[in-house]
Amino acid sequence: EPEVTQTPSHQVTQMGQEVILRCVPISNHLYFYWYRQILGQKVEFLVSFYNNEISEKSEIFDDQFSVERPDGSNFTLKIRSTKLEDSAMYFCASSRGPAYGYTFGSGTRLTVV
Amino acid sequence: AQKITQTQPGMFVQEKEAVTLDCTYDTSDQSYGLFWYKQPSSGEMIFLIYQGSYDEQNATEGRYSLNFQKARKSANLVISASQLGDSAMYFCAMRGLTGGGNKLTFGTGTQLKVEL
Repeated sequence: EPEVTQTPSHQVTQMGQEVILRCVPISNHLYFYWYRQILGQKVEFLVSFYNNEISEKSEIFDDQFSVERPDGSNFTLKIRSTKLEDSAMYFCASSRGPAYGYTFGSGTRLTVV
Repeated sequence: AQKITQTQPGMFVQEKEAVTLDCTYDTSDQSYGLFWYKQPSSGEMIFLIYQGSYDEQNATEGRYSLNFQKARKSANLVISASQLGDSAMYFCAMRGLTGGGNKLTFGTGTQLKVEL
């Protein structure tokens, strides 16, 4: 069964450093998403991406965040200058379209120290 | 705007019994989709079941069924014949299909513990 692949599974970074979280969505999917889950809390939407541009973003997705689909297969989330409160599980997801389900990756656990 | 409410932070069920996890929602969209995801302790999000707002029949997937009551705006998950491996966090989520954007809005989750 096709799956969404996320790397790395765990990342520890120092406050103020830049991190790039990587995702390979399912190949025939057109919509891509990033979500965040702070430990013990609910899953929060960050951003959706369609047709090579951001289609929607949340208040959390401020100027320190950016997304890119550099080569037609990877979908990345960059956090420019990490803060302690960015520590969370980050999930990538993809979908064929609005009437279809999402497939989530297994997540990247980011720890900012 | 969409809102999902899960009022049960934790639930216990005995192995082989059925359990219902509650979910209510609020939306101004006429057309929407409702989802349930399972999150085991390893952290991944596993899709369980989907119900479209215009589907006349309740969705079923193996031991999972969704008790959809549109007038009450509820979408409860029923797990039949619980197994130890069902112990996990369960999230209800929804997505608007008309003008509500594409994002999923999640509830706060219910931690289910299956006991012998």
